[in-house]
Amino acid sequence: DAMVIQNPRYQVTQFGKPVTLSCSQTLNHNVMYWYQQKSSQAPKLLFHYYDKDFNNEADTPDNFQSRRPNTSFCFLDIRSPGLGDAAMYLCATSTKESPSGEQYFGPGTRLTVT
Amino acid sequence: GEDVEQSLFLSVREGDSSVINCTYTDSSSTYLYWYKQEPGAGLQLLTYIFSNMDMKQDQRLTVLLNKKDKHLSLRIADTQTGDSAIYFCADFSGGYNKLIFGAGTRLAVHP
Repeated sequence: DAMVIQNPRYQVTQFGKPVTLSCSQTLNHNVMYWYQQKSSQAPKLLFHYYDKDFNNEADTPDNFQSRRPNTSFCFLDIRSPGLGDAAMYLCATSTKESPSGEQYFGPGTRLTVT
Repeated sequence: GEDVEQSLFLSVREGDSSVINCTYTDSSSTYLYWYKQEPGAGLQLLTYIFSNMDMKQDQRLTVLLNKKDKHLSLRIADTQTGDSAIYFCADFSGGYNKLIFGAGTRLAVHP
């Protein structure tokens, strides 16, 4: 089945220690997104890639970076995690050619910062 | 900027219908979505509706759209315990496929 996969599902990191979360997709979609979701809140878009074009949301902290080496994979790098960065991180994909714009989400990675 | 609002909590009895409501502000919305999120999981796309429609039915799910009032609702018929989850309304107005999410409605189904 075509899908969006996120690894790991749970990640524990120490305050200030860089961490990388990964996302892969078999849908061959040209757009990939990273969202941050804190408890009882809506997902908040951090950035997205349209093919290799990177688009950062204006309020995404500099501490968050992303890489997309190919169509299938996208990484979220948190350079110096703070306690406030503990959240669920969701990866999603869509295809620019779809007029309805629906996004397909992975299961998420829950990040704990100690 | 665009905003999407939902009531935060809904409790229903098993077998009853659930109606989850959403309002949005973007008059240029083209599609509106309902996503379901179970505990510890990602978001599952349930259904969506194009802005020139006023109703869409998909098995137990009925979506109603009042574009004049910018009001969207999701009706779940014969609600089951497996429907217990958080339901997010989202608005898409084109561009680079950016979705604006509401805060989510937590649906609790009790016997």
